[in-house]
Amino acid sequence: AQSVTQPDIHITVSEGASLELRCNYSYGATPYLFWYVQSPGQGLQLLLKYFSGDTLVQGIKGFEAEFKRSQSSFNLRKPSVHWSDAAEYFCAVGPAGAAGNKLTFGGGTRVLVKP
Amino acid sequence: GAVVSQHPSWVICKSGTSVKIECRSLDFQATTMFWYRQFPKQSLMLMATSNEGSKATYEQGVEKDKFLINHASLTLSTLTVTSAHPEDSSFYICSASRDRGTGELFFGEGSRLTVL
Repeated sequence: AQSVTQPDIHITVSEGASLELRCNYSYGATPYLFWYVQSPGQGLQLLLKYFSGDTLVQGIKGFEAEFKRSQSSFNLRKPSVHWSDAAEYFCAVGPAGAAGNKLTFGGGTRVLVKP
Repeated sequence: GAVVSQHPSWVICKSGTSVKIECRSLDFQATTMFWYRQFPKQSLMLMATSNEGSKATYEQGVEKDKFLINHASLTLSTLTVTSAHPEDSSFYICSASRDRGTGELFFGEGSRLTVL
């Protein structure tokens, strides 16, 4: 069965500092990979996705993520964090090429930004 | 971009009553919608997959008679929590798939249910 692990439950970072959120997955084949962000009391917004090709993907709000097949990882990064980046971040995997788009989510990482 | 809207955004009800939550895709047709439940400070747990014109597929452990899902049109899916109890209090989120096979989902704003 597929699973997604986000090892860090909480991360506190100073505004302007860099941020990296870890994501490891277990899947039978190369999956589709996603990062979503959730503000308090809100739904989820897609930051970026990886389907195939270049393993470094760029997303919205200055985020990027790198797919490393050998490590089964898809870590999210941002060079300089803004206070508005404080939110919950979810990594998700889904079956490549299959209908239905059924995703499995990681436990989430809550990011706090210090002024 | 694709927009998914949920209604109501929050609802308070008495124990034993039923509550209906709507999920609409506003600018695209969604053959598949998903319903999730999210407990405080936890991840999203998939409850069921809603397919237009057919019965929903429920995940293991989800009571289909308690969480009724109807997907009567390509833009609307509803989740009805029947005979709600305090333990049903949660944040319910829907998502819709616009393009089959891409894996990309568009999420509603969520609906917070509180059962007294």
